Amino acid sequence: GQNIDQPTEMTATEGAIVQINCTYQTSGFNGLFWYQQHAGEAPTFLSYNVLDGLEEKGRFSSFLSRSKGYSYLLLKELQMKDSASYLCAVSYNNAGNMLTFGGGTRLMVKP
Amino acid sequence: DTEVTQTPKHLVMGMTNKKSLKCEQHMGHRAMYWYKQKAKKPPELMFVYSYEKLSINESVPSRFSPECPNSSLLNLHLHALQPEDSALYLCASSQDGAGVTYNSPLHFGNGTRLTVT
Repeated sequence: GQNIDQPTEMTATEGAIVQINCTYQTSGFNGLFWYQQHAGEAPTFLSYNVLDGLEEKGRFSSFLSRSKGYSYLLLKELQMKDSASYLCAVSYNNAGNMLTFGGGTRLMVKP
Repeated sequence: DTEVTQTPKHLVMGMTNKKSLKCEQHMGHRAMYWYKQKAKKPPELMFVYSYEKLSINESVPSRFSPECPNSSLLNLHLHALQPEDSALYLCASSQDGAGVTYNSPLHFGNGTRLTVT
């Protein structure tokens, strides 16, 4: 399978900025998605990157470097409700929407 | 609220039972998916239906049998499951058919939490 690596857990303070990194194998890369998943709930789509650069969407931004096989999700002005797992998922080999997920990063936001 | 509806939310079944999980979407999406998610693990792809045809079976045991009666519905029939099959089963859909070169996000249902006793 394709290795997609992200930190297992992170802790940050309410109001702060946190960056969640994701690295992946570049061979056959098609596109990269970030999803948020609260405990016991469905994953929800946050962002999609296919070209190098930064995609900004409100408090959330996602960056991609195709040559380095690297992406990050940036969360600004953290709120308690941002405590969740953040899943990096990659589409390979022109397989469209058939995604391979990383292990997820559990983010805990503290007051 | 998610636009992909899954029933039941919870299911407890014995190893000799036969049960079915159901998934429904009315967004006109062309592809539907079954994922399995164990606790604190990422979702793992099981099956993909694209334009109502099974396009991917990720080496899933035959005790799991998918069915796509029409473009809005996706079922997963369960028979003779094992305790290790206990997991959250997620249904998802996407606007584009699976396997095309352009991407559209997956929309997930809230899942069915399955316990096999």
